[in-house]
Amino acid sequence: DAGITQSPRYKITETGRQVTLMCHQTWSHSYMFWYRQDLGHGLRLIYYSAAADITDKGEVPDGYVVSRSKTENFPLTLESATRSQTSVYFCASTLAGSPSGANVLTFGAGSRLTVL
Amino acid sequence: AQKITQTQPGMFVQEKEAVTLDCTYDTSDPSYGLFWYKQPSSGEMIFLIYQGSYDQQNATEGRYSLNFQKARKSANLVISASQLGDSAMYFCAMSERGNQGGKLIFGQGTELSVKP
Repeated sequence: DAGITQSPRYKITETGRQVTLMCHQTWSHSYMFWYRQDLGHGLRLIYYSAAADITDKGEVPDGYVVSRSKTENFPLTLESATRSQTSVYFCASTLAGSPSGANVLTFGAGSRLTVL
Repeated sequence: AQKITQTQPGMFVQEKEAVTLDCTYDTSDPSYGLFWYKQPSSGEMIFLIYQGSYDQQNATEGRYSLNFQKARKSANLVISASQLGDSAMYFCAMSERGNQGGKLIFGQGTELSVKP
């Protein structure tokens, strides 16, 4: 199906373990993003990517690693998970360069990660 | 630095009445975009409405309108004729210069409850 899909939707892991959250979009959107959502903080940008092999840090990048070898995939890896990384993670994508400036982000359904 | 502030953590409104959700922003960039997203209890992020900083008229989308007051740096969301299905979390967000990258900064959110 067309759209943006995240997997897994739910994940429980232990402190110190590596975890990878997957994000796949079928629109060939150039830009992709990872946000985390925590109570009282809204959504905060972790990393984003303007195109394949181009990534950049957002507001809260520490403890996370991303890659983008293909336009459609943008995995997020927690190399050594900590309890503070318990959160809901959203992947999003958008085309760039809309003449009106309204490059609306389309979000995946979210991945709920619990680190014990 | 860019910042979005939503000062109402929670709000109640009677069904069929109008409600205004507040959003103020701070930026030194003359070119920016303002967005509202809805997050129902199911968790997905739904785009509602967009306002560009150079748009002369307030944006409207069905029952949603954006009360854009540039001098006050406010972008309040007005929902007319509230429905039970409007009960959700609402996020205000802002894009950076020209929104060429689609990167959004989000406020903390306002939880709206519609009473029958």
